[in-house]
Amino acid sequence: DIQMTQSPSTLSASVGDRVTITCRASEDINTWLAWYQQKPGKAPTLLIYRASGLESGVPSRFSGSGSGTEFTLTISSLQPDDFATYYCQQYNSYPWTFGQGTKVDIK
Amino acid sequence: EVQVVESGGGSVQPGGSLRLSCVGSGFPFDHYAIHWVRQVPGKGLEWVSGITWKSESIGYADSVKGRFTISRDTAKNIVYLQMNSLRPEDTALYYCAKDRLRQGHAMDVWGQGTVVSVSS
Repeated sequence: DIQMTQSPSTLSASVGDRVTITCRASEDINTWLAWYQQKPGKAPTLLIYRASGLESGVPSRFSGSGSGTEFTLTISSLQPDDFATYYCQQYNSYPWTFGQGTKVDIK
Repeated sequence: EVQVVESGGGSVQPGGSLRLSCVGSGFPFDHYAIHWVRQVPGKGLEWVSGITWKSESIGYADSVKGRFTISRDTAKNIVYLQMNSLRPEDTALYYCAKDRLRQGHAMDVWGQGTVVSVSS
């Protein structure tokens, strides 16, 4: 199975900060990677697909990059609504796997 | 509105069975792959199983392989997750999620989940 490792596990930041979350795959997954946001008590929502594709309705301050085994999610200017947990997920091959999550909280 | 709704959760003893259902609305349900993802409260997400639009490709997490079976009834527009030989570690909130495409390509619409509790 492909292992997905996110860093950091927790990130403290302020409104307006530029935030970067990293996701590493244990083997080459091309660009078959998605990023999700989850808020407490809510279902996850899709932010990014195919490593860099912005899902419809997602603010442009979110961006994704990378290919192969190294990927990043960047929030260009953190907004109050962005404090949440973020997960990467590979869909290169079954079984699909998620990273352990990165919680972005208020500094 | 495009949405998926799960049902069928509940409490069961170890070794028991449950069948979860996922119904979609607002989109041609039989044109998309569908997935199940679970989450233990306070923990991360775990993809459980997925089925493509024509059921030609099905996948399972290692943790449920041989115990869970995913299927779809195209006439009723329902995807099922049959869960047998349930274990306490299967206790979680189970989400149904619609794929972006007919084959597996990320999950763009999620339900609110149905709770499964396995204990004696």
